[in-house]
Amino acid sequence: GAVVSQHPSWVICKSGTSVKIECRSLDFQATTMFWYRQFPKQSLMLMATSNEGSKATYEQGVEKDKFLINHASLTLSTLTVTSAHPEDSSFYICSARDRVSVGPQYFGPGTRLLVL
Amino acid sequence: AQSVTQLGSHVSVSEGALVLLRCNYSSSVPPYLFWYVQYPNQGLQLLLKYTSAATLVKGINGFEAEFKKSETSFHLTKPSAHMSDAAEYFCAVSVTGTASKLTFGTGTRLQVTL
Repeated sequence: GAVVSQHPSWVICKSGTSVKIECRSLDFQATTMFWYRQFPKQSLMLMATSNEGSKATYEQGVEKDKFLINHASLTLSTLTVTSAHPEDSSFYICSARDRVSVGPQYFGPGTRLLVL
Repeated sequence: AQSVTQLGSHVSVSEGALVLLRCNYSSSVPPYLFWYVQYPNQGLQLLLKYTSAATLVKGINGFEAEFKKSETSFHLTKPSAHMSDAAEYFCAVSVTGTASKLTFGTGTRLQVTL
C-alpha cells in the first residue's frame, strides 16, 4: 500500500517550453501533496504544499507563476514548469499524505527534467 | 524553525560492519523525526520514524534509531552492513505532525565495501 507514482520519470525539453509533471496516489486518497526539488548531490528542498481543492502554498523564494501547481482531486496533483530554462533542470519529487491516517508522507519516484 | 544536521556527507563501512549515521536536530517544540533512504534516481523510502512513543525505533531492513532528547540526536544504526545498503540517507524533522512539512538534512552517502 501507500504507493505514489510520478509521470513522466524523464523529460527533456527545449528552453521556453512548458512541462507538466503528474503525481498520483495509487491506493489512497491524499488531501495534501508536497513538491520538492533536488539538485545533484544535495538535499530535498520543499517547493510547495498542495491541498486538494485549494491554492498551493509556496515556500519563500519559489516563483508561483513559474511553478504552477494544481491539486484537482484526492489522487492527483500536477506541477507545471512554465517557460522552462536550463536552470530549471533538476530532479522533482512529490509526496502525498494519506487523508485517513496520520502517517508520514509517501514519496514518488521522482521526475528528472532536463531543459536544453 | 526546526532543522537537522547530518554529520558526515559520506560514510564508508565494510560489509558486515556496524553502520552509524549521525543526525542532530534543533526544535523549540517536541519533534517528529524520520530517516529516509534514496537509491540512485529514485524517490525516498521511509526507513523509520519517531513520533514521541518509544525512544528506540526499529525500522525496515534491520535499521534502528534512538531518540535522545538530552543530546538532541536521532542517529541511525544497523549492526551489520550489507552491500544493498549503499544509498543516500536523509534525516528529516517535522514539528506539527508526522505528515506535515518536513525539513531535510543534507544527506549522508553510505558506501559499503567488500
